Formats: sequence, C-alpha cells, structure tokens
Amino acid sequence: EDQVTQSPEALRLQEGESSSLNCSYTVSGLRGLFWYRQDPGKGPEFLFTLYSAGEEKEKERLKATLTKKESFLHITAPKPEDSATYLCAVQPFTGGGNKLTFGTGTQLKVEL
Amino acid sequence: DTGVSQDPRHKITKRGQNVTFRCDPISEHNRLYWYRQTLGQGPEFLTYFQNEAQLEKSRLLSDRFSAERPKGSFSTLEIQRTEQGDSAMYLCASSLTDYQETQYFGPGTRLLVL
Repeated sequence: EDQVTQSPEALRLQEGESSSLNCSYTVSGLRGLFWYRQDPGKGPEFLFTLYSAGEEKEKERLKATLTKKESFLHITAPKPEDSATYLCAVQPFTGGGNKLTFGTGTQLKVEL
Repeated sequence: DTGVSQDPRHKITKRGQNVTFRCDPISEHNRLYWYRQTLGQGPEFLTYFQNEAQLEKSRLLSDRFSAERPKGSFSTLEIQRTEQGDSAMYLCASSLTDYQETQYFGPGTRLLVL
C-alpha cells in the first residue's frame, strides 16, 4: 500500500529564516509526486509535480526536489503569507485510477 | 477558466438525514475525483470518474455513499442516513487526461453532522 510521511508536523519560522519540509514515500512505481498548499478552510492549491529522481522545480520562494525515497520543499526567506499547511501526495502507476495518496501535511507558521 | 466549484460550502445536518453535494469541474476536464478530509489529516480518496463512468471506489465509501456524474459534466455525492463520523470536509478535484494529470481542487464542502 502506498504511504506518505511528512515531517515535521508543525514548523514555526521567523520571517527570512529558510528551512525545508520533508516528504518520505513508498509507492509501487511512482508516476508523480505532488506538492499542494492548503489554507485553513480551503481546498488544496497545486504547487508542483515531480516525476523522476533528481528533478527540481521552483516557484518564488519555494523549491521542490525529489529522490527515490523522499522529496523536500525548501522555503527560502519565507514571509508571513507563506503560512499554510503544505501537503505532499504520490500518484502511482496503476492500471486504473490515478488517485493521490496524501501525507498529513506540515503546518508552517512564519512570524514577523 | 473559473476553477472547480462546489456547492454548498457548508452543511449542517442532523444524524440520520440525507445530504447531497455538487461539484462542477473545470470545463474541459474529463476526470473527476472525490476526497474526504478530517481535521489534521490529508485528503483521503473516495471515488473517481472518467467522463460519466465511475471507475474506482475506495473501501472508505460505504453503501451509504453514492456518487454520480451524469453526462460526464458535474458530479453529485450523496450520503444517506448520515452519522457523526461523516463530519468532514468533502473535496472535489478534476484533471485532464494527459501526461501531467494534475488534479485541481475545489474549495470543499464542510459537513457537520449533529
């Protein structure tokens, strides 16, 4: 069964203090690894998809990387508006559906 | 492109009542997914449609749950005889069948069963 573990569960940073979020996964053949951002009371907002080990993608202060067993979301010089829950999900190669299996997320709080 | 929309955004019901939620996907997307999310957890897959065909259902989807997608457009998720354990956020996502297969989520319907 596909599994996703995210750490830490919660992270508090000062504005400008860079850090990384971890997503460890086990999947029977990875089709894609997805990062989403979720604000309280809202649906997940798509950030990145990574397909193969060594791949990197960037968007503003965020950079996602992928290895064969884990992915990292690096946050450089965060701002208070980056405060949210960051969700990681895997999509396997299967004969049928393309459901996502999510981790429980990392709740990020960026303070002034 | 107005994104995925869901209605209602909030629903409060009494135990034993039936509820129905609606999801309108992004217009050209042929795949539609339902997920359920409880507090402090990530979304959990419930079911998915390709056009009007329901192709996969999770074991989480008991026989009190039914989903439809008539004509491959909007979808409805009905919960019969609601229980307090059904209280959750119900999320809909849609995707276009292509290499990237990115799922875009709606705002969700928050259900509270009293």
